[in-house]
Amino acid sequence: DGGITQSPKYLFRKEGQNVTLSCEQNLNHDAMYWYRQDPGQGLRLIYYSQIVNDFQKGDIAEGYSVSREKKESFPLTVTSAQKNPTAFYLCATRWGGVENTEAFFGQGTRLTVV
Amino acid sequence: GQNIDQPTEMTATEGAIVQINCTYQTSGFNGLFWYQQHAGEAPTFLSYNVLDGLEEKGRFSSFLSRSKGYSYLLLKELQMKDSASYLCAVRERTGFQKLVFGTGTRLLVSP
Repeated sequence: DGGITQSPKYLFRKEGQNVTLSCEQNLNHDAMYWYRQDPGQGLRLIYYSQIVNDFQKGDIAEGYSVSREKKESFPLTVTSAQKNPTAFYLCATRWGGVENTEAFFGQGTRLTVV
Repeated sequence: GQNIDQPTEMTATEGAIVQINCTYQTSGFNGLFWYQQHAGEAPTFLSYNVLDGLEEKGRFSSFLSRSKGYSYLLLKELQMKDSASYLCAVRERTGFQKLVFGTGTRLLVSP
């Protein structure tokens, strides 16, 4: 089946540790995105990538890093520099060929710092 | 930049009609999306408007007025499963086509 897979669904991290969230897609979409969702706030863009080996910072990139070595994969690393990492993280993809195409979302990873 | 406003919470009764409003301010508009999100799950696409007017899809309709910076999502014949958050998102007219989301409206449907 075509889709977006995020893993793990729940993740616990100790303070001071880096952690990597996985996002894999088999939709053959060029564009991939990472969003963060906190209670009472809208989705905020962390990083995005329009093509392999290229990515750009979003609105809240500090404390995060990404890579895009393959079209199918866009992992997000939450580093120890991120001061408040507990949140729900959503990966999304979009086919970039036509302007009005919608973004598709993965099921999300809930990260908790303990 | 963009600013998107939606009511925080709404309640309605099963079988009724509810309208969720979204107002936006943008320096470059290239379409408005509505998503549904159940708690702890991924947002799913509901509708897209880029021209003024009404788009209808079954029980859901979405309206856009670009001159007023206004959209609404209309849900008819409400069902209990419609209890969810509804996210309004505006696409910027930039090379990147960034999506900016509102905070979402939590809809509670009661029997």
